[in-house]
Amino acid sequence: AQSVSQHNHHVILSEAASLELGCNYSYGGTVNLFWYVQYPGQHLQLLLKYFSGDPLVKGIKGFEAEFIKSKFSFNLRKPSVQWSDTAEYFCAVNAGTGRRALTFGSGTRLQVQP
Amino acid sequence: DAGVIQSPRHEVTEMGQEVTLRCKPISGHDYLFWYRQTMMRGLELLIYFNNNVPIDDSGMPEDRFSAKMPNASFSTLKIQPSEPRDSAVYFCASTRDSKETQYFGPGTRLLVL
Repeated sequence: AQSVSQHNHHVILSEAASLELGCNYSYGGTVNLFWYVQYPGQHLQLLLKYFSGDPLVKGIKGFEAEFIKSKFSFNLRKPSVQWSDTAEYFCAVNAGTGRRALTFGSGTRLQVQP
Repeated sequence: DAGVIQSPRHEVTEMGQEVTLRCKPISGHDYLFWYRQTMMRGLELLIYFNNNVPIDDSGMPEDRFSAKMPNASFSTLKIQPSEPRDSAVYFCASTRDSKETQYFGPGTRLLVL
């Protein structure tokens, strides 16, 4: 069965600091990878996704993620965070074949201090 | 498109009562998913449908939970009888194809007293 690990449960940064959130998955086959964001009181929104091709994926709001197959990782990055980035971030995996549902990591709560 | 629509947005009920959550997927989307979010377990899949047919219900906690999709534009998740441990946010999501992005609804925040 596939699983997703997010090692940082709570991250506190000052504005303009750089961000990197870790995500590792366990699944040996082809995977589709996602990062979703949940702003306070809102529903999940897609930040970016990787299906194939260039392993460096750019998403909305200046976020990017890099798929490193050898490390089973899909870390999320942003060079300079803003207060409005305060939210919970979820990494998710969907196996390339078979089960279609997303398996989510436990989430990382990001708090950006002005 | 209005996106995935869920109702009610909030539900407070007493233990033992029946609860029905509703979802309208995005038009044209063939897959519909029900997820539950709790502090203890995070986001977990309950069940998903493809073309109105349940495909994987392995995440449904127990027989108290049931889900239906009578047509392409409507699904329900029912809990009978409800228990305090069912308190959570229930999300519905839909997608056109299994490989594509899932679009989430606003969720139903359920509190069982």
